[in-house]
Amino acid sequence: AQSVAQPEDQVNVAEGNPLTVKCTYSVSGNPYLFWYVQYPNRGLQFLLKYITGDNLVKGSYGFEAEFNKSQTSFHLKKPSALVSDSALYFCAVRDMRNAGNMLTFGGGTRLMVKP
Amino acid sequence: GAVVSQHPSRVICKSGTSVKIECRSLDFQATTMFWYRQFPKQSLMLMATSNEGSKATYEQGVEKDKFLINHASLTLSTLTVTSAHPEDSSFYICSARGPSSSYNEQFFGPGTRLTVL
Repeated sequence: AQSVAQPEDQVNVAEGNPLTVKCTYSVSGNPYLFWYVQYPNRGLQFLLKYITGDNLVKGSYGFEAEFNKSQTSFHLKKPSALVSDSALYFCAVRDMRNAGNMLTFGGGTRLMVKP
Repeated sequence: GAVVSQHPSRVICKSGTSVKIECRSLDFQATTMFWYRQFPKQSLMLMATSNEGSKATYEQGVEKDKFLINHASLTLSTLTVTSAHPEDSSFYICSARGPSSSYNEQFFGPGTRLTVL
């Protein structure tokens, strides 16, 4: 079984400050890891993914995430937050061994960036 | 990039009526599409996996007679909510599995908000 945990329901950060949205995962094999962002009444937009290679993955809108195998984490980061980054963020995992596996999503973290 | 559309984006219906939601992959063929349901401030819950030309696979607890899925072509899957009730009001999101070269990524539609009065 695979699972994802996003321990924070909400993260508050001031504009211009760095932000981190946490994600930990559990899979039996090696993971494919994804971050998605959702704006109100919209579908999910892909931010970035880790498949293999460098542990630090750079994605859209200045976001990046670091894959840490020993800690089974894939935290999302951005050096300088913008008010427009305020949205709902979802981490997702899929077991690399089984391409037929569906994505499993975390519960989501609401990011609030204040001016 | 791969684009997935949903229609309608928003629908309001009376209790007891049926509502059909379409999910289309616009620039790629999707042998597999997924239907998710999202309640306010909650995560996406997978309802079913739709495979072109075969019956959908439903997740535990999802009534297949209530949520009818048809994946008649490589670019279209439909979800029909039959005899809708207020508790079916939700945000429904589909996704399509991309071409094999994209590590079987899923591309998400913009969602359909269903309100049942």
